[in-house]
Amino acid sequence: DSGVTQTPKHLITATGQRVTLRCSPRSGDLSVYWYQQSLDQGLQFLIHYYNGEERAKGNILERFSAQQFPDLHSELNLSSLELGDSALYFCASSVVNGYRNEQFFGPGTRLTVL
Amino acid sequence: GQQLNQSPQSMFIQEGEDVSMNCTSSSIFNTWLWYKQDPGEGPVLLIALYKAGELTSNGRLTAQFGITRKDSFLNISASIPSDVGIYFCAGANSGTYKYIFGTGTRLKVLA
Repeated sequence: DSGVTQTPKHLITATGQRVTLRCSPRSGDLSVYWYQQSLDQGLQFLIHYYNGEERAKGNILERFSAQQFPDLHSELNLSSLELGDSALYFCASSVVNGYRNEQFFGPGTRLTVL
Repeated sequence: GQQLNQSPQSMFIQEGEDVSMNCTSSSIFNTWLWYKQDPGEGPVLLIALYKAGELTSNGRLTAQFGITRKDSFLNISASIPSDVGIYFCAGANSGTYKYIFGTGTRLKVLA
């Protein structure tokens, strides 16, 4: 158990709908990252938040948005869903302490768009 | 976005064999991380490396931080069926909070 939690585990919805994925980082970690992984593909970086502020954006569509709340949990909002948005979505948090620089992943949310 | 090159992309091996894979970059890093991902699960951190030339083991796994700081290697000794999965490398630099991931090596072990 990495200490990063994600809900829900599975999500099935229809095209055109909107969903929200939730992530809680490890205790004490200020950074939250979101990744998308399509079938048999690598990890595509979407967005990074640090202590409530957006730090970096990757290949995130305009239909997608995220935020990090004061309690450090984060939500990824996906709207106007398309079939191609079906994927695993991972949240990760990082510990950067002196020389340590490690990232820990949650169990993921599997999104299926029908 | 930028990705690191991992080799091989996939491999089938016999149970009991040793496995080697590598990860290369065009830029230098001061941290290399190795992860394993089981199907439908999140990547799990296996080994973290922080110094050029460093060799670190975790059970049957051994990883090395290349001396050029542009590559890293992972070896698995005496493979077993549960070693099946995708192995990802990642490079990072202190203070940047940015992680660059490799394309993954898919390992399949034949019993």
